[in-house]
Amino acid sequence: NAGVTQTPKFRILKIGQSMTLQCAQDMNHNYMYWYRQDPGMGLKLIYYSVGAGITDKGEVPNGYNVSRSTTEDFPLRLELAAPSQTSVYFCASRETAQETQYFGPGTRLLVL
Amino acid sequence: GENVEQHPSTLSVQEGDSAVIKCTYSDSASNYFPWYKQELGKGPQLIIDIRSNVGEKKDQRIAVTLNKTAKHFSLHITETQPEDSAVYFCAARYSGGGADGLTFGKGTHLIIQP
Repeated sequence: NAGVTQTPKFRILKIGQSMTLQCAQDMNHNYMYWYRQDPGMGLKLIYYSVGAGITDKGEVPNGYNVSRSTTEDFPLRLELAAPSQTSVYFCASRETAQETQYFGPGTRLLVL
Repeated sequence: GENVEQHPSTLSVQEGDSAVIKCTYSDSASNYFPWYKQELGKGPQLIIDIRSNVGEKKDQRIAVTLNKTAKHFSLHITETQPEDSAVYFCAARYSGGGADGLTFGKGTHLIIQP
């Protein structure tokens, strides 16, 4: 199993541009999450999904959108990039009956 | 919502000594408390976790204790080794409804001095 994979690893965006951060897992987990990590801070929940077709907001959803058309994939969309979205983004997943979340390696995003 | 405070932000210990990192949480409805280790440029990796019906859990050199009354939990690492150097995060999972997911502390940078 590859676990949780994320692409790209690093990206520079100009203000106002849009992009999609990709996340995939091959563990057949129903629950998936997107977090952002700012320098010197803990991770904050952006969006999560409890299964295909179901998504919900976390603590900091503004400026982001998600979709969950399959169990494996959970992309995060930035429509109008702003400097405040400069961060490292982590995707995670877990089994329904387990608490443990497995994290991907992260995507570092710089908005200039 | 839940709020998790973590101390200290930086901890430097001599190799072979013990390290203790402490966290407090605000909501008594939280029932799951994991600890993650994050190495530079990598995603967080679970090292140990504890549920609210347990007071202590141990896995080789790592232990976690939970005091539900005081709403705090701690990570204990004994016989520290150079490979223990990393950033450690505590987290809490709120079970009282609302958004699923973990609330994280700000992290502790653990430095093991040779």
